[in-house]
Amino acid sequence: DGGITQSPKYLFRKEGQNVTLSCEQNLNHDAMYWYRQDPGQGLRLIYYSQIVNDFQKGDIAEGYSVSREKKESFPLTVTSAQKNPTAFYLCASSYVLTLTDTQYFGPGTRLTVL
Amino acid sequence: QKEVEQNSGPLSVPEGAIASLNCTYSDRGSQSFFWYRQYSGKSPELIMSIYSNGDKEDGRFTAQLNKASQYVSLLIRDSQPSDSATYLCAVNRPYSSASKIIFGSGTRLSIRP
Repeated sequence: DGGITQSPKYLFRKEGQNVTLSCEQNLNHDAMYWYRQDPGQGLRLIYYSQIVNDFQKGDIAEGYSVSREKKESFPLTVTSAQKNPTAFYLCASSYVLTLTDTQYFGPGTRLTVL
Repeated sequence: QKEVEQNSGPLSVPEGAIASLNCTYSDRGSQSFFWYRQYSGKSPELIMSIYSNGDKEDGRFTAQLNKASQYVSLLIRDSQPSDSATYLCAVNRPYSSASKIIFGSGTRLSIRP
């Protein structure tokens, strides 16, 4: 099956801890993205990557970090510096960053800070 | 002014009727427009994309784009209970280095039997 997988589905974190969310795709897409969604809100871009070993900050990158060591993988670390990390995190991918690129989403990870 | 605006709803439509969802955007340079459907607790699913003025039909769905008015809409004909979801409008932001696609906050649609 081709697609985007995210793990875990649910994640609980204690304050002060770093946690890493996994995102893997086997669609051979070049670009990958991380979004955050809060209740009743749209999606806000955290980080994106167009090619391996390169990534760019989105609109709300503070308190997050990413890596892109492989084309298929784009893990997101939520650090203790992120003041309000409880949210639904969505990973997406697309072929290239063109004007007509279409993004496809993984199933999401729901992070709760205890 | 938000870059992409949608009425949050809920929009309640009787089963079998036409549901009309609207979206306005602020960047006149935008060229790509998307509608995503999101069920509660799930990730968004692309249902339509449109790039030129006019109508684009796909089954029961029709996307309409008017660049002069900076307006994009989604019509759902013969609404079914399974259409009950939040619909997200997304627009590309071609000259931004930080974010290529901006999402609206979504319109919640409820189809009543």
